[in-house]
Amino acid sequence: KAGVTQTPRYLIKTRGQQVTLSCSPISGHRSVSWYQQTPGQGLQFLFEYFSETQRNKGNFPGRFSGRQFSNSRSEMNVSTLELGDSALYLCASSPGLAGGTTDTQYFGPGTRLTVL
Amino acid sequence: AQSVAQPEDQVNVAEGNPLTVKCTYSVSGNPYLFWYVQYPNRGLQFLLKYITGDNLVKGSYGFEAEFNKSQTSFHLKKPSALVSDSALYFCAVRDSGYNKLIFGAGTRLAVHP
Repeated sequence: KAGVTQTPRYLIKTRGQQVTLSCSPISGHRSVSWYQQTPGQGLQFLFEYFSETQRNKGNFPGRFSGRQFSNSRSEMNVSTLELGDSALYLCASSPGLAGGTTDTQYFGPGTRLTVL
Repeated sequence: AQSVAQPEDQVNVAEGNPLTVKCTYSVSGNPYLFWYVQYPNRGLQFLLKYITGDNLVKGSYGFEAEFNKSQTSFHLKKPSALVSDSALYFCAVRDSGYNKLIFGAGTRLAVHP
Protein backbone atom coordinates (compact mmCIF):
# COMPACT_ATOMS: atom_id res chain seq x y z
CA LYS A 1 0.00 0.00 0.00
CA ALA A 2 1.13 3.50 -0.68
CA GLY A 3 1.92 5.54 2.39
CA VAL A 4 0.59 8.87 3.52
CA THR A 5 1.36 11.65 1.07
CA GLN A 6 1.49 15.36 1.77
CA THR A 7 1.69 18.25 -0.65
CA PRO A 8 3.45 20.52 -1.02
CA ARG A 9 6.62 19.46 0.77
CA TYR A 10 7.87 23.01 1.19
CA LEU A 11 6.13 26.36 1.32
CA ILE A 12 7.32 29.91 1.85
CA LYS A 13 4.72 32.53 2.71
CA THR A 14 4.68 36.02 4.16
CA ARG A 15 2.88 37.25 7.24
CA GLY A 16 -0.81 37.84 6.74
CA GLN A 17 -1.18 35.38 3.89
CA GLN A 18 -3.09 32.15 4.10
CA VAL A 19 -1.99 28.64 3.19
CA THR A 20 -3.61 25.29 2.42
CA LEU A 21 -1.87 21.99 2.98
CA SER A 22 -3.05 18.67 1.62
CA CYS A 23 -2.88 15.12 2.94
CA SER A 24 -3.84 11.84 1.27
CA PRO A 25 -4.18 8.98 3.75
CA ILE A 26 -3.37 5.32 3.30
CA SER A 27 -6.03 3.61 1.23
CA GLY A 28 -8.87 2.43 3.45
CA HIS A 29 -7.99 4.72 6.35
CA ARG A 30 -10.79 7.06 7.35
CA SER A 31 -9.09 9.07 10.08
CA VAL A 32 -6.66 11.88 9.37
CA SER A 33 -4.92 13.77 12.16
CA TRP A 34 -2.75 16.86 11.87
CA TYR A 35 0.21 17.78 14.07
CA GLN A 36 2.50 20.79 14.23
CA GLN A 37 6.18 20.26 14.99
CA THR A 38 8.37 23.16 16.13
CA PRO A 39 11.72 23.21 17.94
CA GLY A 40 10.21 25.08 20.87
CA GLN A 41 6.87 23.34 21.36
CA GLY A 42 7.63 19.92 19.95
CA LEU A 43 4.84 17.88 18.43
CA GLN A 44 1.37 19.22 19.09
CA PHE A 45 -1.98 17.87 17.98
CA LEU A 46 -4.08 20.17 15.82
CA PHE A 47 -7.19 18.18 14.95
CA GLU A 48 -8.55 14.87 13.73
CA TYR A 49 -11.08 14.23 11.00
CA PHE A 50 -13.08 11.06 10.58
CA SER A 51 -15.72 10.50 7.92
CA GLU A 52 -15.66 14.19 6.94
CA THR A 53 -16.29 15.35 10.53
CA GLN A 54 -13.89 16.94 12.96
CA ARG A 55 -13.77 14.48 15.82
CA ASN A 56 -11.06 16.01 18.03
CA LYS A 57 -9.43 19.39 18.29
CA GLY A 58 -6.27 20.63 19.95
CA ASN A 59 -5.55 24.00 21.54
CA PHE A 60 -4.88 26.12 18.50
CA PRO A 61 -6.52 29.39 17.49
CA GLY A 62 -9.36 29.50 15.01
CA ARG A 63 -6.94 30.56 12.26
CA PHE A 64 -6.15 26.86 11.97
CA SER A 65 -8.91 24.90 10.30
CA GLY A 66 -9.32 21.78 8.28
CA ARG A 67 -11.68 19.63 6.36
CA GLN A 68 -11.98 16.15 5.03
CA PHE A 69 -13.45 14.98 1.77
CA SER A 70 -15.52 11.91 0.99
CA ASN A 71 -12.41 10.08 -0.26
CA SER A 72 -10.77 10.74 3.17
CA ARG A 73 -8.27 13.22 1.76
CA SER A 74 -7.83 16.14 4.10
CA GLU A 75 -6.77 19.74 3.85
CA MET A 76 -5.54 22.06 6.53
CA ASN A 77 -5.77 25.82 6.22
CA VAL A 78 -3.99 28.51 8.17
CA SER A 79 -5.21 32.06 7.69
CA THR A 80 -3.48 35.33 8.57
CA LEU A 81 -0.11 33.68 8.91
CA GLU A 82 2.20 34.69 11.75
CA LEU A 83 5.94 34.17 12.07
CA GLY A 84 5.29 31.63 14.81
CA ASP A 85 3.37 29.42 12.39
CA SER A 86 6.65 28.38 10.79
CA ALA A 87 6.79 24.66 11.43
CA LEU A 88 6.71 21.18 10.02
CA TYR A 89 3.09 20.14 9.61
CA LEU A 90 2.56 16.42 9.76
CA CYS A 91 -0.51 14.46 8.93
CA ALA A 92 -1.19 10.94 10.08
CA SER A 93 -3.74 8.40 8.97
CA SER A 94 -5.32 5.47 10.76
CA PRO A 95 -8.37 3.27 10.26
CA GLY A 96 -10.23 5.32 12.86
CA LEU A 97 -12.96 2.82 13.64
CA ALA A 98 -14.33 2.45 17.18
CA GLY A 99 -12.83 5.80 18.08
CA GLY A 100 -9.42 4.79 16.85
CA THR A 101 -7.95 4.72 20.34
CA THR A 102 -5.84 1.60 19.78
CA ASP A 103 -4.94 2.42 16.17
CA THR A 104 -1.43 3.01 14.93
CA GLN A 105 -1.11 6.40 13.29
CA TYR A 106 1.05 6.42 10.15
CA PHE A 107 2.68 9.71 9.32
CA GLY A 108 3.41 11.44 6.07
CA PRO A 109 6.70 13.22 5.29
CA GLY A 110 5.32 16.58 6.34
CA THR A 111 5.04 20.04 4.83
CA ARG A 112 7.71 22.51 5.89
CA LEU A 113 6.08 25.95 6.15
CA THR A 114 8.26 29.02 6.47
CA VAL A 115 6.60 32.34 7.21
CA LEU A 116 8.66 35.44 6.43
CA ALA B 1 -4.15 14.56 31.91
CA GLN B 2 -2.02 12.13 29.93
CA SER B 3 1.66 12.94 29.53
CA VAL B 4 4.99 11.38 28.67
CA ALA B 5 8.48 12.39 29.64
CA GLN B 6 11.74 11.62 27.92
CA PRO B 7 14.36 12.57 30.49
CA GLU B 8 17.35 12.55 28.14
CA ASP B 9 17.81 15.10 25.37
CA GLN B 10 20.56 13.00 23.84
CA VAL B 11 21.89 9.47 24.17
CA ASN B 12 25.33 8.53 22.88
CA VAL B 13 26.17 4.91 22.15
CA ALA B 14 29.02 3.12 20.44
CA GLU B 15 28.11 0.96 17.47
CA GLY B 16 27.54 -2.64 18.53
CA ASN B 17 26.64 -1.73 22.10
CA PRO B 18 23.11 -2.04 23.51
CA LEU B 19 21.02 1.11 23.58
CA THR B 20 18.21 2.32 25.79
CA VAL B 21 16.04 5.39 25.25
CA LYS B 22 13.94 6.19 28.29
CA CYS B 23 10.28 7.13 28.54
CA THR B 24 7.98 7.51 31.52
CA TYR B 25 4.27 8.15 31.34
CA SER B 26 1.37 9.44 33.36
CA VAL B 27 -2.12 8.34 32.39
CA SER B 28 -5.56 7.86 33.79
CA GLY B 29 -6.93 4.59 32.58
CA ASN B 30 -5.18 2.09 30.32
CA PRO B 31 -1.89 3.26 28.87
CA TYR B 32 -1.61 2.98 25.09
CA LEU B 33 2.05 3.73 24.34
CA PHE B 34 3.98 4.22 21.12
CA TRP B 35 7.51 4.78 19.86
CA TYR B 36 8.31 6.64 16.66
CA VAL B 37 11.58 7.57 14.98
CA GLN B 38 12.27 10.62 12.86
CA TYR B 39 15.14 10.95 10.42
CA PRO B 40 16.20 14.39 9.11
CA ASN B 41 13.64 16.00 6.82
CA ARG B 42 11.31 13.05 7.20
CA GLY B 43 8.05 12.33 8.93
CA LEU B 44 7.65 9.98 11.87
CA GLN B 45 8.11 6.26 11.35
CA PHE B 46 6.23 3.87 13.63
CA LEU B 47 8.44 1.47 15.58
CA LEU B 48 6.17 -0.31 18.04
CA LYS B 49 3.26 0.04 20.42
CA TYR B 50 1.92 -1.37 23.67
CA ILE B 51 -1.81 -1.79 23.98
CA THR B 52 -2.17 -4.81 26.23
CA GLY B 53 -0.60 -8.21 26.84
CA ASP B 54 3.08 -9.11 26.98
CA ASN B 55 5.21 -6.45 28.66
CA LEU B 56 8.00 -6.92 26.12
CA VAL B 57 6.97 -5.54 22.77
CA LYS B 58 9.00 -6.26 19.64
CA GLY B 59 8.99 -3.80 16.79
CA SER B 60 10.66 -2.78 13.56
CA TYR B 61 14.40 -2.71 12.82
CA GLY B 62 15.29 -4.87 15.84
CA PHE B 63 13.86 -2.48 18.41
CA GLU B 64 11.88 -3.60 21.42
CA ALA B 65 10.33 -1.88 24.40
CA GLU B 66 9.57 -2.98 27.92
CA PHE B 67 6.34 -1.85 29.54
CA ASN B 68 6.68 -1.53 33.32
CA LYS B 69 3.44 -0.61 35.03
CA SER B 70 4.88 -0.20 38.53
CA GLN B 71 7.56 2.21 37.30
CA THR B 72 5.25 3.78 34.67
CA SER B 73 7.99 3.36 32.11
CA PHE B 74 8.18 2.26 28.49
CA HIS B 75 11.87 2.24 27.58
CA LEU B 76 13.01 1.56 24.03
CA LYS B 77 15.87 -0.89 23.62
CA LYS B 78 18.04 -2.52 21.01
CA PRO B 79 20.67 -5.18 21.73
CA SER B 80 23.23 -3.89 19.21
CA ALA B 81 23.18 -0.32 17.92
CA LEU B 82 23.92 0.63 14.33
CA VAL B 83 25.22 3.98 13.08
CA SER B 84 22.08 4.12 10.93
CA ASP B 85 19.96 4.13 14.12
CA SER B 86 21.10 7.70 14.74
CA ALA B 87 17.90 9.76 14.68
CA LEU B 88 15.31 11.50 16.85
CA TYR B 89 13.09 9.17 18.88
CA PHE B 90 9.68 10.05 20.24
CA CYS B 91 7.62 8.31 22.88
CA ALA B 92 3.87 8.97 22.75
CA VAL B 93 0.74 8.12 24.70
CA ARG B 94 -2.79 8.01 23.40
CA ASP B 95 -5.00 10.66 24.98
CA SER B 96 -7.73 9.00 26.98
CA GLY B 97 -10.67 8.10 24.78
CA TYR B 98 -9.37 10.00 21.77
CA ASN B 99 -7.51 9.17 18.59
CA LYS B 100 -4.85 11.70 19.52
CA LEU B 101 -1.20 11.22 20.43
CA ILE B 102 0.62 13.18 23.12
CA PHE B 103 4.34 13.18 22.42
CA GLY B 104 7.39 13.49 24.57
CA ALA B 105 10.01 16.08 23.72
CA GLY B 106 12.13 13.57 21.86
CA THR B 107 15.55 12.03 22.45
CA ARG B 108 18.34 12.36 19.95
CA LEU B 109 20.26 9.11 19.58
CA ALA B 110 23.81 9.31 18.29
CA VAL B 111 25.55 6.05 17.49
CA HIS B 112 29.28 6.44 16.99
CA PRO B 113 31.40 4.08 14.86
